[in-house]
Amino acid sequence: KNEVEQSPQNLTAQEGEFITINCSYSVGISALHWLQQHPGGGIVSLFMLSSGKKKHGRLIATINIQEKHSSLHITASHPRDSAVYICAVPPTSGTYKYIFGTGTRLKVLA
Amino acid sequence: ETGVTQSPTHLIKTRGQQVTLRCSSQSGHNTVSWYQQALGQGPQFIFQYYREEENGRGNFPPRFSGLQFPNYSSELNVNALELDDSALYLCASSLESYEQYFGPGTRLTVT
Repeated sequence: KNEVEQSPQNLTAQEGEFITINCSYSVGISALHWLQQHPGGGIVSLFMLSSGKKKHGRLIATINIQEKHSSLHITASHPRDSAVYICAVPPTSGTYKYIFGTGTRLKVLA
Repeated sequence: ETGVTQSPTHLIKTRGQQVTLRCSSQSGHNTVSWYQQALGQGPQFIFQYYREEENGRGNFPPRFSGLQFPNYSSELNVNALELDDSALYLCASSLESYEQYFGPGTRLTVT
């Protein structure tokens, strides 16, 4: 079992739909990182959060530390949102590498 | 503040050759991590450099080696290239080992 699990693995939505991607983790964390990767592209940082909620444009990320769960929401989705979304756990004290989630491949149809 | 840059963007090499990939870390960052991402897969940790010393290593053979320079930029060297080395190579810089900022990647094709 992966230490960081995402669901769904694949998601197809119509333009304008509200999208939710979930991330559950079993390790202790100080923060969680949401990342975006367009096909063939590099990785872009979306959010780093350790509590509550963060919003940037049409993207909203929430985290519940007690339940070890985070969600990424996209409002009014658009075809340009089509990408792989990855949640990742940054290193904590005594560790040095990210633990990446399994990724969610999102396709938004026009 | 400049972000993480990598060069070259794309590279084609022949099996058995050697390759050097370069990464300039974000201003103020002292740690660089390297990842290999095969097509359709998640990033796999290769190694991390902190203040010019290797700080941790993933499950990669010794033909994958690296360097970090006093300005905290870094190189990834791969010797005796194999077809399976074809991948997107990502570097990420951070201050200590915390939030990492990723570069755009170098796509390596080994033929």
